[in-house]
Amino acid sequence: SQQGEEDPQALSIQEGENATMNCSYKTSINNLQWYRQNSGRGLVHLILIRSNEREKHSGRLRVTLDTSKKSSSLLITASRAADTASYFCATADNFNKFYFGSGTKLNVKP
Amino acid sequence: EADIYQTPRYLVIGTGKKITLECSQTMGHDKMYWYQQDPGMELHLIHYSYGVNSTEKGDLSSESTVSRIRTEHFPLTLESARPSHTSQYLCASSLYGGNQPQHFGDGTRLSIL
Repeated sequence: SQQGEEDPQALSIQEGENATMNCSYKTSINNLQWYRQNSGRGLVHLILIRSNEREKHSGRLRVTLDTSKKSSSLLITASRAADTASYFCATADNFNKFYFGSGTKLNVKP
Repeated sequence: EADIYQTPRYLVIGTGKKITLECSQTMGHDKMYWYQQDPGMELHLIHYSYGVNSTEKGDLSSESTVSRIRTEHFPLTLESARPSHTSQYLCASSLYGGNQPQHFGDGTRLSIL
C-alpha cells in the first residue's frame, strides 16, 4: 500500500483542548490532503498541503508536512463537540489514484 | 455540501440479486471513484474513471463492475450479490485528479442477507 498509518487510532479529549493526529506515507508526493468523516456520512475535504509547503492554516486547523520524514500532522485547536469525527489523510499517485490512511477517531467530550 | 449524490442510502437485499448503486455529480468533474469502506476502517479504491468511456479497476479486487457513459453518472453494479459484499460504498469525484480535493457522496450502506 502507498499509504502508511495514522496515529493515534483513537483520541478522546475535552472540549476546548487541542487535538493532534499524525499521518505517515511511503512514496514521494505532490500534495497531501486531510478529510473528515462524520458517522454514517461521506468524507469532507478539509485542507490540502503541497509538497513544497511546510505548514498551512485554515481556521482552527493547522497542518504540517515533513517530506524528509514522509509524515504530516493535523492540529485542531480549541476543539468543539462538533469536531467529533474520523479524520483521514490521503495522497495521490501519478495516475490520480488516491490512497487513504486508516484514520483517527476523535471524540470531543462536552 | 457537495454536489454528488448516491442512491440508495441504505439497501438490504437477499443473496443472488442484481444490484446497481447510483452515483451522480453536477460539477462536471472528469475523475470519478468508487471506494469500499467497512465500518470504522480505511477506504479501499475499487474502481475509477478518467472520463466518459474510461473505467479502471482499483487496488482492491471487487466483483462489481462500473460504467461511464455520461460525465455526470458513474453507476456500480453487482450481478449476483453475496454476504461478502456487505459494506459501505462511497462515490467521489475530482476536477483534475490528485492535485485537487475529492468530493464525496454520503455513501450506500449495503447489507446482503
